[in-house]
Amino acid sequence: GAGVSQSPRYKVAKRGQDVALRCDPISGHVSLFWYQQALGQGPEFLTYFQNEAQLDKSGLPSDRFFAERPEGSVSTLKIQRTQQEDSAVYLCASSLEVGKYNSPLHFGNGTRLTVT
Amino acid sequence: GENVEQHPSTLSVQEGDSAVIKCTYSDSASNYFPWYKQELGKRPQLIIDIRSNVGEKKDQRIAVTLNKTAKHFSLHITETQPEDSAVYFCAASSTGGFKTIFGAGTRLFVKA
Repeated sequence: GAGVSQSPRYKVAKRGQDVALRCDPISGHVSLFWYQQALGQGPEFLTYFQNEAQLDKSGLPSDRFFAERPEGSVSTLKIQRTQQEDSAVYLCASSLEVGKYNSPLHFGNGTRLTVT
Repeated sequence: GENVEQHPSTLSVQEGDSAVIKCTYSDSASNYFPWYKQELGKRPQLIIDIRSNVGEKKDQRIAVTLNKTAKHFSLHITETQPEDSAVYFCAASSTGGFKTIFGAGTRLFVKA
């Protein structure tokens, strides 16, 4: 596709439920990022993939958060046993190979997660 | 750890006036500084970027300046228009690093 695609656009989960958020990056982009954006704040780094390798997961808030990109393309961010503090917009971004080139991030529209 | 500070958090200007947003960064290895615009409910989109080997870059009404010694960079918007109203984020990253670190954002209001 022409841009980064995320689904679902909105997700409402009851506290304790598991959720899975999908990201389809721009074709050919090696680098894929997940960011969390709380209301009125800037995006906060969660995790980074280079192809299928997860090179940095230092931003994941707890072990309830898990991300994967098994074939180096589509990625899924999974949150287990959701808590109210997990409510935020989850942004996926892809880029040419960061670390090697300075290239901008291309963001998806995000998934707005509301935990009730 | 790496940090990017952004000021002001809110900026209100009259249409036609200039707007300036300032950022500082902590990681001396940072060498790439993009600026993103985010309209309400939409994705952040790149509007301009600057690399550390350049002190200034301009694109029509938008310009960015960089002072590597002071670790400051700024966004300048001239002849503001109502459609410039949005949240603007500065960011910093480095070749060899992975993370792009974002500022907290500046909400710009342009009054017609």
